[in-house]
Order: sequence, then structure tokens, then C-alpha cells
Amino acid sequence: SAVISQKPSRDICQRGTSLTIQCQVDSQVTMMFWYRQQPGQSLTLIATANQGSEATYESGFVIDKFPISRPNLTFSTLTVSNMSPEDSSIYLCSVSNKGYEQYFGPGTRLTVT
Amino acid sequence: AQSVTQLGSHVSVSEGALVLLRCNYSSSVPPYLFWYVQYPNQGLQLLLKYTSAATLVKGINGFEAEFKKSETSFHLTKPSAHMSDAAEYFCAVSDASGNTPLVFGKGTRLSVIA
Repeated sequence: SAVISQKPSRDICQRGTSLTIQCQVDSQVTMMFWYRQQPGQSLTLIATANQGSEATYESGFVIDKFPISRPNLTFSTLTVSNMSPEDSSIYLCSVSNKGYEQYFGPGTRLTVT
Repeated sequence: AQSVTQLGSHVSVSEGALVLLRCNYSSSVPPYLFWYVQYPNQGLQLLLKYTSAATLVKGINGFEAEFKKSETSFHLTKPSAHMSDAAEYFCAVSDASGNTPLVFGKGTRLSVIA
């Protein structure tokens, strides 16, 4: 399994600002994913981030709102841009090495006021 | 397209009673199936996985699940509930390529009553 850390663990942000969330893995991984978990809901995939290529976004999510970087095989960032209260969620990073299972970070709890 | 349906958004059992959390899947290709647990204010932890080997899969914390192709089910069970099992449980599916991200069910909240 992989050990995944996320920063920040939580934040309270003002409407209209942006927040960048970092995801660090203790080993090289092929695939990284970003999920959103709205209060009391399940996980929704935002995008798949592969090193050396642009992220692949799911329907309903766009690069201008959620830009993602994947500079190497152990690190990725997700930015939530021009935030509104509807962006208040838990954002989770997960990784997979084609072992089929995905391992998850502890999440970033974002509140937008 | 793949999907999972978890029957029951909230299940409540007494301590020591059987835990049964239901998951049905839909997949046009052989699926790989997973159960994850999420404790309050934490990320997701893998409980167990089915990847086309044995149909009865044993996981951590005494949980197990049985893959039944005829019923397209992958229900999670534990013979005797413990207070520490109270959490949110998610069933997830992917295909056998290893290239696609997991698709999650809506989750089932398990409460354990003393």
C-alpha cells in the first residue's frame, strides 16, 4: 500500500479566492485521482492526473475551475478556483499502481464562506 | 458503463449482531469490486477486494464479502458487530484493465447500538 498525505488538512476560505491542495505519495505511482465528497454524500471523481500529460476531467468539471498539476510520479496539486459556498466539500486524492485498488489520502476539508 | 447500488443509506444493528451491507453492481465487463470504510473525519480505508480469484473474500476487521455473479451482488458481512464498526461504508467497482478509476456507490452508514 501507499502512504498519502494531503495539505492542508482543512481550510476556511473566502468566496472568490482560490485554494491549492497538495497530494504527496511515499512511492512512485502510475495514476492519481482527485475526488470530491460533498457533505453526507459519496465520492465524485473530478479528474485523473497522469504524469507527463494533461489531466482528464469528468463531466461537469472543467480545467479552468479545477486546474491540476502532476509534475512527477509522487506529487500532484488540485486548485479550486474562484470559490463559492457550493465548493465546500472534502477533496480526496487517491493513487493506483494498476494493482486495481486505490489508496486514499486523509482528505482536505474545505469550507467557503 | 459501470455502476454500483448500495441498498439502504443507513443500517442500524445491535452490538454482537450480524452486519449485512448490500451492494449490487452493473458492469458490461468482468468487474473488480471493493469495499471501503470511512470513519468520521478520515479518508477511505480499503476493507477488501474481489479481483476474480476466490469468490469469498476476507478483509480486515473481521469483514468478508461474497461475489455472486448470478445475482450481480457483492454484499459485505461481519458475524458480530462491534461499536468500533460504526462508520460509512462504500462499495466500488472498476474494470479488470486497471486503467479506470473506481466508481463508488452512495454509501451506507452503519450504526451500532450498545
